[in-house]
Amino acid sequence: DVKVTQSSRYLVKRTGEKVFLECVQDMDHENMFWYRQDPGLGLRLIYFSYDVKMKEKGDIPEGYSVSREKKERFSLILESASTNQTSMYLCASSLVDARTGLTEAFFGQGTRLTVV
Amino acid sequence: AQTVTQSQPEMSVQEAETVTLSCTYDTSESDYYLFWYKQPPSRQMILVIRQEAYKQQNATENRFSVNFQKAAKSFSLKISDSQLGDAAMYFCAYRSLNNNDMRFGAGTRLTVKP
Repeated sequence: DVKVTQSSRYLVKRTGEKVFLECVQDMDHENMFWYRQDPGLGLRLIYFSYDVKMKEKGDIPEGYSVSREKKERFSLILESASTNQTSMYLCASSLVDARTGLTEAFFGQGTRLTVV
Repeated sequence: AQTVTQSQPEMSVQEAETVTLSCTYDTSESDYYLFWYKQPPSRQMILVIRQEAYKQQNATENRFSVNFQKAAKSFSLKISDSQLGDAAMYFCAYRSLNNNDMRFGAGTRLTVKP
């Protein structure tokens, strides 16, 4: 089974702190994603990465950065946390293999971040 | 970027009955993938069903089936013989083959009444 692990399930940080959310996958997937989930807004893409050291901005990259130094790890960084970044953060990974049809994303269990 | 719209924030169904969740999307691409994911209270996102855009045949997975209308850019999920365990948030998702990103709708919260 594919496993996507997020380092924390719950996190409380203070305004202005630098916050690191870590995500690790064990299936050698090329693609990794960071979403935030808010009621009524669904999952909004923050950043995704299609290879080591490669990244693409999603819909809401402002206030966030990412790092992908190794294939299995994709980190989301809040440079200076603000209260409007209080949210659920979901990490996902996938590959695109048309031959096998394995195209879906596999998700971690989410990190509920509260910024006070 | 592609957009995914789920127009039903909440739906309710009686146990053993059938319910249909709606999803529309906007894209200029001809080849892509569509998915329905389920998110129960545990928060773990679970794939329910997938559809390749080049396939005309609607995907089915046990009690779950889709009605894929490519020209109308519509991708609805039908749940037959609803069970209490089907209660969850359901998200429709679009996967681009050009840039590999994946976009989700706002979700539909399904309640199953015993």
